[in-house]
Amino acid sequence: TQLLEQSPQFLSIQEGENLTVYCNSSSVFSSLQWYRQEPGEGPVLLVTVVTGGEVKKLKRLTFQFGDARKDSSLHITAAQPGDTGLYLCAGASDNNNDMRFGAGTRLTVKP
Amino acid sequence: NAGVTQTPKFQVLKTGQSMTLQCAQDMNHNSMYWYRQDPGMGLRLIYYSASEGTTDKGEVPNGYNVSRLNKREFSLRLESAAPSQTSVYFCASSENPSVFQEQYFGPGTRLTVT
Repeated sequence: TQLLEQSPQFLSIQEGENLTVYCNSSSVFSSLQWYRQEPGEGPVLLVTVVTGGEVKKLKRLTFQFGDARKDSSLHITAAQPGDTGLYLCAGASDNNNDMRFGAGTRLTVKP
Repeated sequence: NAGVTQTPKFQVLKTGQSMTLQCAQDMNHNSMYWYRQDPGMGLRLIYYSASEGTTDKGEVPNGYNVSRLNKREFSLRLESAAPSQTSVYFCASSENPSVFQEQYFGPGTRLTVT
């Protein structure tokens, strides 16, 4: 059973389009992280969100943590081919003794 | 800084063989982790070490053992490999004493068990 459900599983868009991917759970997390992974490499941390309702921006990427700390979204504005990759969310449990990853959203941005 | 390094990058084993995956970090991090990544499953935690001298089971520890050799190194051993252990294995580390925060990953070891 996947504690963190990511949607969509696959997304293919044209350069310049906007997109949003989602990370949902029935569990409450003390923090949630977003990673990007490119083929043949390990995941690279993009952001950590800690407070319910928190919004963080990283250039064209906007991350939001749900008010109840059960879900998160990642919005990319004007996507570029360099944004192509597997986007993973990961939630740390409230007592910080466990972390679970979602299965990821595989994004392809075509030039 | 090299960050987190893993050896080997690729390995093919026959069922029943044993091997040790090596991981080292040069960031002076306290915590280290081993994950496996399978298609459609995301990353699943095998074992972690919150600090030097301690290890704890994660979500999928069966069939594996670990050793936190020192602060830098954390190894993963498969005593008797099975085809179900075919996967990509990632080692990670984090500085924060609060375990699981802001992890830095190595490049992975691709293991095939035939």
